[in-house]
Amino acid sequence: AQKITQTQPGMFVQEKEAVTLDCTYDTSDQSYGLFWYKQPSSGEMIFLIYQGSYDEQNATEGRYSLNFQKARKSANLVISASQLGDSAMYFCAMRANDYKLSFGAGTTVTVRA
Amino acid sequence: GAVVSQHPSRVICKSGTSVKIECRSLDFQATTMFWYRQFPKKSLMLMATSNEGSKATYEQGVEKDKFLINHASLTLSTLTVTSAHPEDSSFYICSARDLRLGTSSYNEQFFGPGTRLTVL
Repeated sequence: AQKITQTQPGMFVQEKEAVTLDCTYDTSDQSYGLFWYKQPSSGEMIFLIYQGSYDEQNATEGRYSLNFQKARKSANLVISASQLGDSAMYFCAMRANDYKLSFGAGTTVTVRA
Repeated sequence: GAVVSQHPSRVICKSGTSVKIECRSLDFQATTMFWYRQFPKKSLMLMATSNEGSKATYEQGVEKDKFLINHASLTLSTLTVTSAHPEDSSFYICSARDLRLGTSSYNEQFFGPGTRLTVL
């Protein structure tokens, strides 16, 4: 079984600063994928970034970067230069061999002006 | 891109009635769709995997007679909440797996915008 752990229920960040959201995972699969999604108050799930278990380089997408440490089973998301529109709930998720996604509990990010 | 729609976006119904929620992949065919349930400020919980042309597979603890899933075509899956009660009130989200070979989104899941169900 897969397990995703997000230990930060909520975080505050000042506008234009960077914030790191923690995510650790547990799986016995050799091949898996790690995802981060943003969910604003509207409820839609917005895909942010993906890291495959065999990818040697950390994934980056614009202001989002994923700090992948395979040995530690962690996949932290870094949001640089935070904007007010980044205020939302963020979910870490893992896709196993059966293509099902398992989600962490989520972290609510509030960006302060 | 791959677009998934859900209908309705919001529904309010009386206790005891049944509610049908549709999930459509608009620009690709999806043999596999997933249904999730989310309570306020909580995580998404996978309810079932919807397979085109065959029975859905339900996660442990999900009542299959309560949450009927029909995947009648390659672009449509429906979730019917039967005899709804207030405790069924929740946010229901579907996703569809893109199986278009040769595309950058091959095997990725794309989410619908969700349906907020309120049972009075």
